[in-house]
Amino acid sequence: AQSVTQLDSQVPVFEEAPVELRCNYSSSVSVYLFWYVQYPNQGLQLLLKYLSGSTLVKGINGFEAEFNKSQTSFHLRKPSVHISDTAEYFCAVSGRGSARQLTFGSGTQLTVLP
Amino acid sequence: DAGVIQSPRHEVTEMGQEVTLRCKPISGHNSLFWYRQTMMRGLELLIYFNNNVPIDDSGMPEDRFSAKMPNASFSTLKIQPSEPRDSAVYFCASSSDRYYVGGYTFGSGTRLTVV
Repeated sequence: AQSVTQLDSQVPVFEEAPVELRCNYSSSVSVYLFWYVQYPNQGLQLLLKYLSGSTLVKGINGFEAEFNKSQTSFHLRKPSVHISDTAEYFCAVSGRGSARQLTFGSGTQLTVLP
Repeated sequence: DAGVIQSPRHEVTEMGQEVTLRCKPISGHNSLFWYRQTMMRGLELLIYFNNNVPIDDSGMPEDRFSAKMPNASFSTLKIQPSEPRDSAVYFCASSSDRYYVGGYTFGSGTRLTVV
């Protein structure tokens, strides 16, 4: 079984500032890792994913995340945020076996201030 | 592809009434998931189907909830009788085992309000 902890429930940041949303996971097996974004009144959209290979993964809208196996982390970063990045961000993990059910964190509300 | 399609987008019903939520997964996807999202509990997995067979329904809160997947292109989540505490956004998601690209594709959700 896996679990995900998103350390910050709310992150306010000014426009054009950098941001990091933190995610730590726990698992007894190798994992796949994901970040999803949810804009108001919409479904969840895949932002980026780590399946294998390079530990630095780039996603849509200028976001990137780094898989750190030793620290069991998968933090999401963006060097310069825009007002339109205001949304809720969910980190998720799944096992690599046949049961690839996603386990989601509790979410981080990113609010970009003008 | 039109993505995962959920209907209705919004549903308002009175306590005690039956509610049926519908989902059409992406063509070719063989796994389907129903989630519930509330402010208090976040995203909760209710039930998971693989090849139309329910694999894990441990998240279904009570006997009032039931889900079916009669074929690969359609699933329903039914609540009977509905209660105010069932008010939430219900999401359906699908994925493919054979052509696994990582993660799920989510529908836009059904916002259920039980008054």
